[in-house]
Amino acid sequence: SQTIHQWPATLVQPVGSPLSLECTVEGTSNPNLYWYRQAAGRGLQLLFYSVGIGQISSEVPQNLSASRPQDRQFILSSKKLLLSDSGFYLCAWRDGNNQPQHFGDGTRLSIL
Amino acid sequence: GDSVTQMEGPVTLSEEAFLTINCTYTATGYPSLFWYVQYPGEGLQLLLKATKADDKGSNKGFEATYRKETTSFHLEKGSVQVSDSAVYFCALSDSSGGYQKVTFGIGTKLQVIP
Repeated sequence: SQTIHQWPATLVQPVGSPLSLECTVEGTSNPNLYWYRQAAGRGLQLLFYSVGIGQISSEVPQNLSASRPQDRQFILSSKKLLLSDSGFYLCAWRDGNNQPQHFGDGTRLSIL
Repeated sequence: GDSVTQMEGPVTLSEEAFLTINCTYTATGYPSLFWYVQYPGEGLQLLLKATKADDKGSNKGFEATYRKETTSFHLEKGSVQVSDSAVYFCALSDSSGGYQKVTFGIGTKLQVIP
């Protein structure tokens, strides 16, 4: 069966520090991968999605970036965090068009 | 573009009450429709899905029917429990134009009180 792992679960970082969040999927190949951000009490904001290794589509211009170095690995990064980057970050995967997405447990990021 | 509209809530119900959360959508193609549930501090879990008109998705006592004529996918449960307290997201996936994205509603917070 397929599983998705996302870490860390919580992270507290100072303003201006770098960021690296990792997501890996097991039990499937060539999945579509997604990064979302969820502000407190709000809906989901799609940040990036990827349909293959090295292929990244950005939805919102900001100081975040994403990379997909391997088929089932998706990394969210920042060189210098802003206060506004605080939130709940969710990774998701799916097998193809019109299939449901499956989400990781999320990373709670707090910027001080 | 595609969009999903649902009430923001919170919806507050007493235990064993009937639940309806409305969801309507607009899509350029023929989408698949989903309901997700998010418990506090967790990721989203797929609750149910429907892929074509008149399909009924069901799971854990929850149901939703794909109504193409009214572009709706309302979530219902006959008798809610305290453990159903969560945020519920309606979503659609439309592959027309080669899109790989899923469009989510804003989420409806449900509070069930004993």
